[in-house]
Amino acid sequence: NAGVMQNPRHLVRRRGQEARLRCSPMKGHSHVYWYRQLPEEGLKFMVYLQKENIIDESGMPKERFSAEFPKEGPSILRIQQVVRGDSAAYFCASSPTTSGSAGELFFGEGSRLTVL
Amino acid sequence: ILNVEQSPQSLHVQEGDSTNFTCSFPSSNFYALHWYRWETAKSPEALFVMTLNGDEKKKGRISATLNTKEGYSYLYIKGSQPEDSATYLCASINTNAGKSTFGDGTTLTVKP
Repeated sequence: NAGVMQNPRHLVRRRGQEARLRCSPMKGHSHVYWYRQLPEEGLKFMVYLQKENIIDESGMPKERFSAEFPKEGPSILRIQQVVRGDSAAYFCASSPTTSGSAGELFFGEGSRLTVL
Repeated sequence: ILNVEQSPQSLHVQEGDSTNFTCSFPSSNFYALHWYRWETAKSPEALFVMTLNGDEKKKGRISATLNTKEGYSYLYIKGSQPEDSATYLCASINTNAGKSTFGDGTTLTVKP
């Protein structure tokens, strides 16, 4: 049973380019969460999605960042016109349970974005 | 407390020592608290899911307690081993909020 799969594991972009990070949740999981870990900091919530719906995007920067979780295919976190401050590790997690449940999250190994 | 706070930030102990660390979280609208273990170059893995005031969970040499009225949880490791070296994260979920809010973690280093 494959775990949460994230790709690419490492991504290098120049300032102004776009970054796309993909996350395939565990089989049977319909809830996806994206977290960001800036250097020397902890995990910060970005967005919570269910299939075709954004449930909570209170942690997403207002500009340049977007996320989707289509009916088919992986969840995608998209960062347009990247800046050096976007350099971070981006973690995806999934859960099989409905919003508000006590179930734990299952994490991917993260995608490390470096902006030159 | 508005955020999830963990202390200490880091801890160095000798093999065989017992240790504990603290997670403080907002007590209002509490729904659940999770503890995760995060080893270097791996992904966080859940240790405990705790929901009830007074909950006490145990897994081998690791145990955790929960006080939802005052908003804190303790994680205990008895007889620390080098393989216990990791960052221990706690995460709080408020009622039906869905998202987990993480503390910054306690990084434990156990010296042989």
